[in-house]
Amino acid sequence: EIVLTQSPANLSLSPGESATLSCRASQSVSGYLAWYQQKPGQAPRLVIHETSNRATGIPARFSGRGSGTDYTLTISSLEPEDIGVYYCQHRADWPLTFGGGTKVEIK
Amino acid sequence: EAQLVESGGGLVQPGGSLRLSCAASGFAFSTYSMNWVRQAPGKGLEWISYISSGSSSIFYADSVKGRFTVSRDNAKNSVYLQMNSLRDEDTAVYYCARDRRGGWPDNFFDCWGQGILVTVSS
Repeated sequence: EIVLTQSPANLSLSPGESATLSCRASQSVSGYLAWYQQKPGQAPRLVIHETSNRATGIPARFSGRGSGTDYTLTISSLEPEDIGVYYCQHRADWPLTFGGGTKVEIK
Repeated sequence: EAQLVESGGGLVQPGGSLRLSCAASGFAFSTYSMNWVRQAPGKGLEWISYISSGSSSIFYADSVKGRFTVSRDNAKNSVYLQMNSLRDEDTAVYYCARDRRGGWPDNFFDCWGQGILVTVSS
């Protein structure tokens, strides 16, 4: 099973600041990585798929990059509506797994 | 607009059974692979099951293998999760989730149900 480790666990930033979230895999996931945003009481929402492709309706301030075992999600200028928990997920092999999440808060 | 609605959750005793349903609308259900993902209270997301569009491929997480069975009825635009031998640790919100791409699965999920709570407790 591929284990995804996310860091930091919590991120508290002011509006307008840049947020960088990390996801490290226990073995290469070959770019087959997605990011989801989950707001309190809501279902997750796909943000990025295949490392760097924004999902439908996702603002351009969200970007993803990475390769092999190391991936990042960047929110270039944090908006209040960006709060929530962000999860990475791979599809490189079965079972599919999620990372433990990074909680993004606004100062 | 694509929509998924789960039903069938509730309180069940350890060792009991429950069947979840997920009704799909607004898209060509028969061409999409479907998944179940759960989230224990205050915890992260856990993928638990996948079923291909024609039911020819099915996968489970080890945590539910042998106890849970996924199925679908394309004529009824529905996917199901039969859960047997339930344990305390199966307590979670269960989501059905659609594969992002119809016709050729990529195992990322772009449409989620609202979730349904399953509580396993005596």
